[in-house]
Amino acid sequence: EAQVTQNPRYLITVTGKKLTVTCSQNMNHEYMSWYRQDPGLGLRQIYYSMNVEVTDKGDVPEGYKVSRKEKRNFPLILESPSPNQTSLYFCASSLYMRLTTDTQYFGPGTRLTVL
Amino acid sequence: KQEVTQIPAALSVPEGENLVLNCSFTDSAIYNLQWFRQDPGKGLTSLLLIQSSQREQTSGRLNASLDKSSGRSTLYIAASQPGDSATYLCAVNSGYSTLTFGKGTMLLVSP
Repeated sequence: EAQVTQNPRYLITVTGKKLTVTCSQNMNHEYMSWYRQDPGLGLRQIYYSMNVEVTDKGDVPEGYKVSRKEKRNFPLILESPSPNQTSLYFCASSLYMRLTTDTQYFGPGTRLTVL
Repeated sequence: KQEVTQIPAALSVPEGENLVLNCSFTDSAIYNLQWFRQDPGKGLTSLLLIQSSQREQTSGRLNASLDKSSGRSTLYIAASQPGDSATYLCAVNSGYSTLTFGKGTMLLVSP
């Protein structure tokens, strides 16, 4: 089944404790992206990757890191989480992101709470 | 910079009604437009994708239209059911390496 998976689905942590949210897709997509969703602010892009070893900042990259060493995986790293990073996080992928036929697929979400 | 607006922000209808959700965008130079459904606290499910060259797409009781020149899209839901209750999000791909999302329309269909 074609899908985007994220782990963990729920995470409660404390300020300053490094964490990684994993994202994996099985559709051989070139493009992957991370969004956060907050009430009243909607979905905002954190980072994206057009291909392996190519990553770039989205609208809200501060406090986050990413890497793209393999095509299927795109982990989101919070080196020193803070309470304002409490949010619902989504990973997404699409074939190229520059075709009119490109459908973007989303993972199930990771709900992160930073105390 | 692309901006996407969805009206209304919330909508409550009785079961069986036909309804229309609206989405407008500021830059007509788009690759495509996607409609998503999101249940509370859950992920996004893609409902329909309309390519920039298309006028409409249909899937079951859903029909989405696109008028690029006026910067508008509508999602028509026929014969609404309580199971249609969810937030509906419109997202535009303008080729800026991101989807630009509206804030969504929260739909409640009562039995």
